[in-house]
Amino acid sequence: QQQVKQSPQSLIVQKGGISIINCAYENTAFDYFPWYQQFPGKGPALLIAIRPDVSEKKEGRFTISFNKSAKQFSLHIMDSQPGDSATYFCAASRAAGTSYGKLTFGQGTILTVHP
Amino acid sequence: DGGITQSPKYLFRKEGQNVTLSCEQNLNHDAMYWYRQDPGQGLRLIYYSQIVNDFQKGDIAEGYSVSREKKESFPLTVTSAQKNPTAFYLCASSGKGGRSGQPQHFGDGTRLSIL
Repeated sequence: QQQVKQSPQSLIVQKGGISIINCAYENTAFDYFPWYQQFPGKGPALLIAIRPDVSEKKEGRFTISFNKSAKQFSLHIMDSQPGDSATYFCAASRAAGTSYGKLTFGQGTILTVHP
Repeated sequence: DGGITQSPKYLFRKEGQNVTLSCEQNLNHDAMYWYRQDPGQGLRLIYYSQIVNDFQKGDIAEGYSVSREKKESFPLTVTSAQKNPTAFYLCASSGKGGRSGQPQHFGDGTRLSIL
């Protein structure tokens, strides 16, 4: 019940295209869903996060779509750029309670954007 | 600048040896975490601490130990009982949980290898 499943494992997109990464979770107690971006040799950095009381959140070229009934959420990167090439992780946690802040991560997606 | 500092960046362990990875944060965060990252497996939680002098096991705590004597510091010891220690180790911290969720901030990791 603690799993977060992420797909695809790797993704190749042309410059200017749309990158889409999907995640599915099982634990209905999860109520905080962040996405992290990681470059080689660096730690992950928070990209964007959403709570289940909204179905979509947009920050610049990055959008999270959230489907509570399906227990799925996805990251869309519009106008993908070579500088977006990185590994992306979805995650989920309970925002409050005894397990606050304890994130469960997806397996990661390696995104390559060709110029 | 506020952030999380992990040291060393690279570490080598001999058979039967314990090694300690350092993690220091100046973000005044209450919670700190240790993750292990292996290719294709995302980030797996080793230990976490929500307050000084208290910590809990994560999903893969066997062969590891931690201490939390100061709010700023959360060192991880990889003991000789950990038979497959080669991995990228990431430390993170977060503020108190709340309804909005608290993002975790990561250091740039320590890469541990076996000699």
